[in-house]
Amino acid sequence: DADVTQTPRNRITKTGKRIMLECSQTKGHDRMYWYRQDPGLGLRLIYYSFDVKDINKGEISDGYSVSRQAQAKFSLSLESAIPNQTALYFCATSELPTGGGETQYFGPGTRLLVL
Amino acid sequence: AQTVTQSQPEMSVQEAETVTLSCTYDTSESDYYLFWYKQPPSRQMILVIRQEAYKQQNATENRFSVNFQKAAKSFSLKISDSQLGDAAMYFCAYRGYGQNFVFGPGTRLSVLP
Repeated sequence: DADVTQTPRNRITKTGKRIMLECSQTKGHDRMYWYRQDPGLGLRLIYYSFDVKDINKGEISDGYSVSRQAQAKFSLSLESAIPNQTALYFCATSELPTGGGETQYFGPGTRLLVL
Repeated sequence: AQTVTQSQPEMSVQEAETVTLSCTYDTSESDYYLFWYKQPPSRQMILVIRQEAYKQQNATENRFSVNFQKAAKSFSLKISDSQLGDAAMYFCAYRGYGQNFVFGPGTRLSVLP
């Protein structure tokens, strides 16, 4: 089974709708992240969480919110979806680094289309 | 803020040949980490290789190796004996100590049979 799972894998929605993307992990990592990927821009950080009580904004948090329901679960919400939120969304996890370095492990991605 | 640049949006290589993907970054930090991730058509992000800036020795993982030039802030990825399965988007990423990841825009690699 995959260590980091995302649901749904693909989603089509309409402008103005609320949508939630879910991420679960079995790696036992404390740190979880949400990124969006757009062509030519790479991955950009939306929100991140270092533990259940910790939520931090990333580079592009406007229009998004998150919830860390448990160590293993981190959800991303679009309260009122707009077309420029059409993108590929990734959840990632990492463990508390020793020595400063850490590797991020990614879920399979959710492709979102907002009409 | 740190930035990561990949100047080659697309590259191609003949099967069994060697290809080098370029990456440069901008930072004032002395301690940091660099990564190459591969994204095949399945969309999964897969770690290819990682380099600690304090290590002078270039990292290698089987057919994948890096040329890390700290003074030049350059971190290129060399793929030897290219295989069809190497076709993918490749992302270079930087992580400063205690900071979040910064990704480059990616290079799409095609492998020609």
